[in-house]
Amino acid sequence: DAGVIQSPRHEVTEMGQEVTLRCKPISGHNSLFWYRQTMMRGLELLIYFNNNVPIDDSGMPEDRFSAKMPNASFSTLKIQPSEPRDSAVYFCASIQGSTDTQYFGPGTRLTVL
Amino acid sequence: SQQGEEDPQALSIQEGENATMNCSYKTSINNLQWYRQNSGRGLVHLILIRSNEREKHSGRLRVTLDTSKKSSSLLITASRAADTASYFCATDASSYKLIFGSGTRLLVRP
Repeated sequence: DAGVIQSPRHEVTEMGQEVTLRCKPISGHNSLFWYRQTMMRGLELLIYFNNNVPIDDSGMPEDRFSAKMPNASFSTLKIQPSEPRDSAVYFCASIQGSTDTQYFGPGTRLTVL
Repeated sequence: SQQGEEDPQALSIQEGENATMNCSYKTSINNLQWYRQNSGRGLVHLILIRSNEREKHSGRLRVTLDTSKKSSSLLITASRAADTASYFCATDASSYKLIFGSGTRLLVRP
């Protein structure tokens, strides 16, 4: 079975540009998480979707960040406008039902110049 | 602030030796999980231990949990070079939310 798929794997952009990160969760999984990982702050939960509905977005740093899940097989995380401090690795993870184990994608390494 | 803090931050051992990593957390939990992250990759779930369990085994992995001390340990026996990775503990802050520790970087020298 294919795991969680993220694209792109690497993104380099200039400050002020819009960035869109994409995630395809594992088929049948009904919960999706977006995380950000940096050396300084570690792994932080940005937003959590359940059955395509955003349940907890308290980790979204500011209004420049937005996330959508239009259907069960696709989610996006958008940063507009991007800033150098947004440089990080962004992970998507999914789970099935009420299980506790999260399945992570390979991540998108974002560099904002 | 992070719920879990791993100790040590970095560990270097020889292949064949055992590696022990510790995790401390702050609040009550339902379960605690350990994940591995290879360089440039996503996290991979290793093992979950529930609050009413004290010890759990999975292959070469042994996890202990002491809820009175709010701490857990991960033991990897007979380490291999392929075990080189960062290891994170994660505690459940709510029914869905995991709080990850800062991780232990393990280097297994061939």
